[in-house]
Amino acid sequence: ILNVEQSPQSLHVQEGDSTNFTCSFPSSNFYALHWYRWETAKSPEALFVMTLNGDEKKKGRISATLNTKEGYSYLYIKGSQPEDSATYLCAFYSGGGADGLTFGKGTHLIIQP
Amino acid sequence: NAGVTQTPKFQVLKTGQSMTLQCAQDMNHEYMSWYRQDPGMGLRLIHYSVGAGITDQGEVPNGYNVSRSTTEDFPLRLLSAAPSQTSVYFCASRTGAIGSGYTFGSGTRLTVV
Repeated sequence: ILNVEQSPQSLHVQEGDSTNFTCSFPSSNFYALHWYRWETAKSPEALFVMTLNGDEKKKGRISATLNTKEGYSYLYIKGSQPEDSATYLCAFYSGGGADGLTFGKGTHLIIQP
Repeated sequence: NAGVTQTPKFQVLKTGQSMTLQCAQDMNHEYMSWYRQDPGMGLRLIHYSVGAGITDQGEVPNGYNVSRSTTEDFPLRLLSAAPSQTSVYFCASRTGAIGSGYTFGSGTRLTVV
């Protein structure tokens, strides 16, 4: 069983502040790293799929970086807004002919007005 | 475009009963997966399929069967329901491209009494 760790488990941030959180994953047999955003009462939605060491992806105020050699990815949110409140999941994909992701337990982000 | 459709949304079963959770996607995605979500745990992979006629086990396959007779449909069968199978079940699909993220269904909340 692969170990994917996310920290912190939960985070309270003031509206307008920037924040970031971490996903750690195995540095061997890397194929892809996924980030998902999961709002309460909805389904997870894909934010980024990252495949190359040094990858940086950006979508609006949200960005992510990837270090496959040391096995971590950071997700950044700039100028947090109340609508950013959600659980952010990362998931590791080791490929190898199989499919399916190994998910972390998520970082629960609450933006306080 | 409906995306990934799961039925039913809610279900209560008695221990020992069997049932099928339905999942259908209309995006012509090759890859489909079933996950379960339990409190304090990340999403865990039950079974997955990389194309019609091809299925394989994930992390927690015991007590579940799947089949993939068409590209569109990927039903999950509970053979003899147990209280340990009380969970929220998500079906997800994606294309075969390495950079493709999963599209999730809205989930089925199952209670086994």
